[in-house]
Amino acid sequence: GEDVEQSLFLSVREGDSSVINCTYTDSSSTYLYWYKQEPGAGLQLLTYIFSNMDMKQDQRLTVLLNKKDKHLSLRIADTQTGDSAIYFCAESSWGKLQFGAGTQVVVTP
Amino acid sequence: NAGVTQTPKFRILKIGQSMTLQCTQDMNHNYMYWYRQDPGMGLKLIYYSVGAGITDKGEVPNGYNVSRSTTEDFPLRLELAAPSQTSVYFCASSQADFNQPQHFGDGTRLSIL
Repeated sequence: GEDVEQSLFLSVREGDSSVINCTYTDSSSTYLYWYKQEPGAGLQLLTYIFSNMDMKQDQRLTVLLNKKDKHLSLRIADTQTGDSAIYFCAESSWGKLQFGAGTQVVVTP
Repeated sequence: NAGVTQTPKFRILKIGQSMTLQCTQDMNHNYMYWYRQDPGMGLKLIYYSVGAGITDKGEVPNGYNVSRSTTEDFPLRLELAAPSQTSVYFCASSQADFNQPQHFGDGTRLSIL
């Protein structure tokens, strides 16, 4: 199976918070990343966290890292329709970037 | 700000044809990568390069070739296109190594019929 796992779909109401979860396997990962992909576009780096941190906040985005459980989450506050996209979690592992399959986030009015 | 530029954006090939997907970056990044993205899957690494003149295989290199004659350019070649190579191809670059954030192009959507 995949080394990085994410749920495939999330529906959220505009204005609510979204939480996207990810589990990974390599405890030696140095960085963990969140990328956003809008339809027909490439992956856009949203944020990343160094493995010695447990939280990082950047405007509406909050990343939480639980190294013991190898669990990473991305919280988007006040979700907007422009946040509708596929979100990929990735870990740097064994000299390469390992991606999850992506979580499609649909924001409804 | 150009970043990573891929051409073409779309292409349809017949089985057995060949083509080159172009990728160029203007950030003076040493590392460059080619990925393919299949529906419902994460990105799979095809080839990567750590600098001009140096390339290495990724997870799914079969059926592809690359070259890196300059820092800026990293073309991906399909010699004998097969239906299994229908995919979206992304080129990316990073400053130093895999641990650094990777910057992606907009992708090339390739269909082989």
